[in-house]
Parts: sequence; C-alpha cells; structure tokens
Amino acid sequence: GIQVEQSPPDLILQEGANSTLRCNFSDSVNNLQWFHQNPWGQLINLFYIPSGTKQNGRLSATTVATERYSLLYISSSQTTDSGVYFCAVERGRDDKIIFGKGTRLHILP
Amino acid sequence: DAGVTQSPTHLIKTRGQQVTLRCSPKSGHDTVSWYQQALGQGPQFIFQYYEEEERQRGNFPDRFSGHQFPNYSSELNVNALLLGDSALYLCASSFGRGIGYTFGSGTRLTVV
Repeated sequence: GIQVEQSPPDLILQEGANSTLRCNFSDSVNNLQWFHQNPWGQLINLFYIPSGTKQNGRLSATTVATERYSLLYISSSQTTDSGVYFCAVERGRDDKIIFGKGTRLHILP
Repeated sequence: DAGVTQSPTHLIKTRGQQVTLRCSPKSGHDTVSWYQQALGQGPQFIFQYYEEEERQRGNFPDRFSGHQFPNYSSELNVNALLLGDSALYLCASSFGRGIGYTFGSGTRLTVV
C-alpha cells in the first residue's frame, strides 16, 4: 500500500521561530490533508491540499503532487502550536485516509 | 452545531473482555469511520460505515466489528481484548464519501 513518511519526527523551537514540516508519499493521491492533534487527542483539519498552495493565517501548505511531497509552514510559532502534526492521504475519492506517523512539535515560551 | 461526540472518554478493561465504543456524527454527516491510534503512532483505519453497511475495512482482525444505526450513529465492538488493543480510538464523520472529515476527541482504552 501507499507509504506516508513525515519529517522530522520531533521538533523543538523557541516561540516566534518559523518551522517547515515535510510529508513524502509513495504513490499518486486523490487528496492530501494536514491535521493538528492537540494534547487532548483532538484532530483538527488544517488544510485539504491535493496540489498547489494554501494559506490560513500563520500557517501555509504546499503540495507538489508530481514530486509526491507536501510541506506545512508555521510562521511566528506560538506555544499553542505545540502538538502532533499529521499528513494524511487518500488514494482514490472513496478510499480510506492513510496517516503518516506525525511530527511532534514543541514550542518553548 | 455539535461536532462528533464519542463515549466514553476513558475506559479500562481486562484482557479477554469485550468493549463497545460509541460515536455520534456531526449533524448532516452520514458516514462514520473508525481509527485506532497507538501511542506515538498515526491513526490506523479500522473500517467505515455508510448507509448502515461496512463499506471499507482496514487490516484488523474479526474481533473488531461495528454497526451503524439509522440515525447515522455508530458503535465499535472489540471482543477478546488483548493488551495490544490499548489505544486511542477515534471516530470521524463525513458527508458522503470522505468529504469534510471531522474527528471526535476519541476514547482512550486501556487493557490490563
């Protein structure tokens, strides 16, 4: 099946710093999503981004489908950005979502 | 507008027992998917229910079964619990086929 690899696995930054999280996937996908999981386990969808670039406040994401990777950018990090960021893909429109192992982000005050 | 509601939030069971987890989808959603998230891992797809039928299934044994009711709510049942079944179980609802996934906060199951 399709493989989803995220890097780095862990990232520790000072508040105010910028960060880039990467997601590589092994086959073509119909859709790609970025999620943030807070310390209480809640998964929040950040972006649906099968291709192109989107921005939402301090967060932006870019997916280059032809090269099978996606990047999540977080600018001016805040402590509330801490948590685990997951990349998840769907092979086909009716397919299940396959998650990567996530990047654990710690923002220090 | 309520989001996805899961119950209970925490549960402790003994090895060999059976457990039922419940999920109420977001208003307007008709599809429910279940995921298992072991500590330090990404969520793994268990199965998906649509129109009261299991539409897709991940690589989980038959000990894992489910049901969807006419009001679109769903249950996940796990029989003969193993220590390795300890995990966060997440329910996600969507409208139709994977549109607009919304996750619940999960049920944390501990098997002792």
